[in-house]
Amino acid sequence: NAGVMQNPRHLVRRRGQEARLRCSPMKGHSHVYWYRQLPEEGLKFMVYLQKENIIDESGMPKERFSAEFPKEGPSILRIQQVVRGDSAAYFCASSPPDSSNQPQHFGDGTRLSIL
Amino acid sequence: AQTVTQSQPEMSVQEAETVTLSCTYDTSESNYYLFWYKQPPSRQMILVIRQEAYKQQNATENRFSVNFQKAAKSFSLKISDSQLGDTAMYFCAGLYGNKLVFGAGTILRVKS
Repeated sequence: NAGVMQNPRHLVRRRGQEARLRCSPMKGHSHVYWYRQLPEEGLKFMVYLQKENIIDESGMPKERFSAEFPKEGPSILRIQQVVRGDSAAYFCASSPPDSSNQPQHFGDGTRLSIL
Repeated sequence: AQTVTQSQPEMSVQEAETVTLSCTYDTSESNYYLFWYKQPPSRQMILVIRQEAYKQQNATENRFSVNFQKAAKSFSLKISDSQLGDTAMYFCAGLYGNKLVFGAGTILRVKS
């Protein structure tokens, strides 16, 4: 009974490169959320997606960041032209279709380090 | 705007004793849920307990219980019979719509 799967667990990029973070939701879950945790801080909401739709991206930086959840395959959080300030842990969470007020189940996160 | 505030950056407790972690929140919504998540050194996010705002009864999960004071917008976590494995960062969070809003966290250290 696999939980939320994120890969890679650790990702190192140089400034200016692209980072792609993947998230496969729990079986039966169709809602995906991305959160960012900066060092010594709590998690901050970035984006909420359902299959092929971005529902709420109010927490996403306007530039360089994008997210998708295609009909087939995992959700992808993409960061273009990374900068040092993008270093953080990125968590994905998922919830079932009837997700109103249901707890979100988290993956183990991807630790992104920018050199 | 919804906010969640944890005013205790760090707490310590002796093994087998009881500790309470504080959390306050602010929202204008009438229907919402509150959660406590635990983040051990492995950095996983583990759901500890949840509270439905419309329920008067405080939630309990084994050694973990909450004191939910809706009028005061307070949602504290009590850990009884603390164990070394409880050492972690604890986050209070509110679910408003589909968005979790987290507090800054409280580091709990359980000492033997």
